[in-house]
Amino acid sequence: SQQGEEDPQALSIQEGENATMNCSYKTSINNLQWYRQNSGRGLVHLILIRSNEREKHSGRLRVTLDTSKKSSSLLITASRAADTASYFCATDDQGGKLIFGQGTELSVKP
Amino acid sequence: DAGVIQSPRHEVTEMGQEVTLRCKPISGHNSLFWYRQTMMRGLELLIYFNNNVPIDDSGMPEDRFSAKMPNASFSTLKIQPSEPRDSAVYFCASSLGETDTQYFGPGTRLTVL
Repeated sequence: SQQGEEDPQALSIQEGENATMNCSYKTSINNLQWYRQNSGRGLVHLILIRSNEREKHSGRLRVTLDTSKKSSSLLITASRAADTASYFCATDDQGGKLIFGQGTELSVKP
Repeated sequence: DAGVIQSPRHEVTEMGQEVTLRCKPISGHNSLFWYRQTMMRGLELLIYFNNNVPIDDSGMPEDRFSAKMPNASFSTLKIQPSEPRDSAVYFCASSLGETDTQYFGPGTRLTVL
């Protein structure tokens, strides 16, 4: 079963709007990471949040982590057409490797 | 610094042929991962190495798949014999440690006819 699962599977918004994606996981983690994948490319690391952190910012990205609910959210503010991509969360499983979710496909319309 | 390097970028082969995918991780990284991505199954971890030693190969679909890491700067993923259902994009990634940030290569798009 998936350690990390994103929600929604697909999201379509207008440029300038905020985009929120959620990730739920099942077991205890040391950290949770978010990645982006542009079509036809490899995944690119966006941000890492540790289990003892509740919120982290990087530019227009804001990540929150609620370990009691085993969930995280990625907020992209003032979205741009260039933000169109798939976004994945990844959590470390008990076995010491990262498990990626199925991803959220974000489409930002100009 | 160069990122993760994969070759070839594209491979088209016929069913039954042997396919070898290559990966050069980022210098100094201790962990290397092979993934497969398809529309149907998403991103799947096939195998990963730590300090050149295979740690978890539970994602390798079957005996037709094998992976090696003879040294810290090179790894191969081999499919023999290849089948049409192996068509996918194969990514290699490396990281300092097993659960640290992973840096992905550009991928190899494999098409098996």
